[in-house]
This record gives sequence, structure tokens and C-alpha cells, in this order.
Amino acid sequence: QQQVKQSPQSLIVQKGGIPIINCAYENTAFDYFPWYQQFPGKGPALLIAIRPDVSEKKEGRFTISFNKSAKQFSLHIMDSQPGDSATYFCAASIEGGSYIPTFGRGTSLIVHP
Amino acid sequence: NAGVTQTPKFQVLKTGQSMTLQCAQDMNHNSMYWYRQDPGMGLRLIYYSASEGTTDKGEVPNGYNVSRLNKREFSLRLESAAPSQTSVYFCASSDTDRGTNNSPLHFGNGTRLTVT
Repeated sequence: QQQVKQSPQSLIVQKGGIPIINCAYENTAFDYFPWYQQFPGKGPALLIAIRPDVSEKKEGRFTISFNKSAKQFSLHIMDSQPGDSATYFCAASIEGGSYIPTFGRGTSLIVHP
Repeated sequence: NAGVTQTPKFQVLKTGQSMTLQCAQDMNHNSMYWYRQDPGMGLRLIYYSASEGTTDKGEVPNGYNVSRLNKREFSLRLESAAPSQTSVYFCASSDTDRGTNNSPLHFGNGTRLTVT
């Protein structure tokens, strides 16, 4: 059973575009939602994270939008650059419960110059 | 500060051979994890260790064993490799002693394993 569903599996945009990656979760107990960025040949690294007490969080060109009632959250990359080309994973976990995050299956993003 | 270090970076095995993947972290984290990454499947947890001396199965533990040698090191062993274990293996650690369970994971750069 896939508890965190991520879409799309792949995404191609032009430089300057705004790619959007969506994730949906089932377990309403999840209360921490990080996004990881992975470059080819490297391990994933934390990009940005949000808790459900806010609906949006921005860090530089990266924004997480969170919709608690719909059980969905998404990553927006403003003014995307070729250097943003990577695989992005969403995840969810429960504070006070298991410390094991549940990952989405990843989105491969290509930003063309 | 090296973070999480995995060795080897690449390995080719024949079916039935055994090997141990090594992982060490220098961040004094109490929790460590082994994941495998396959195309279209994302990151799947093999085993994890919440603290020195404890290990637990994850989503895909069959065919693997682990050892939490000390707080720094967490190894993954394939006793009899199979082609289905061809994958990229990632070790990760997190600081779950901070009073919150939502410490991010810090990953190594992976071991690319091919079993023929």
C-alpha cells in the first residue's frame, strides 16, 4: 500500500518555467512533510520541509504548498534553472510516532536551457 | 565534515556471492537506515537501527542482514546475491535524540551494485 503518492513521474520544462510536483497522503497522522533533492550519482538531500500548521513555506525559489483538508502538498520551483534538473522525492512522517519517513516514488525533473 | 560515507562506490557480484556494504557517519546520529533505489520504485527501506544495538526490518528485508557495529557504523550484508538485488543502495542517518522524530535524513552517495 503506497501511503504517499507522487506525481508526475517525470517532468520537462523550459528555463524560467514553474514545475509543480504533487504528493497526496492517506494517513492523517502525518505531521511532517519534507522534500528531498537528488542529483545524478549522489544521495538525496533535504531541500525544504513543512508542518501542517502552515499552508505555505518558501525558501528561495522553492515553495511548498500544503492543503490539509485535501491531504495534498506540492513543490513549486519558481524561475527554474538547468541546475534544478534532479530527482525530487516527497516524504511524510509522524512526530512522536515512527521516525521512519514514508517516501513518494520520485519525480525526475529536466529543465532545458 | 564527511557526513555519511559508503564503501564501496561500485560493485559487481556473481549470483550466489556474498558481500558487505559499509556505512559510517560522523554526525553522532543515533538512527541509521539502509535503502535501495530502483527505477520507478523510489526509496525502499531495507533495515533501520534506532540506536546502537538495535535493528529492525523495513519494507524489503529479505535477502539482507545488518549489523549496527557501534554508533557510527551500520553495515548491510548480502549472504547470497541474486540478480533481483541489482540496485543502488543508500545509507542514511538522522538525529532522533533531539526530542523530535522529524529530524531530516542525511544520505551517503550510494553503492551501485550489479549482480550477474
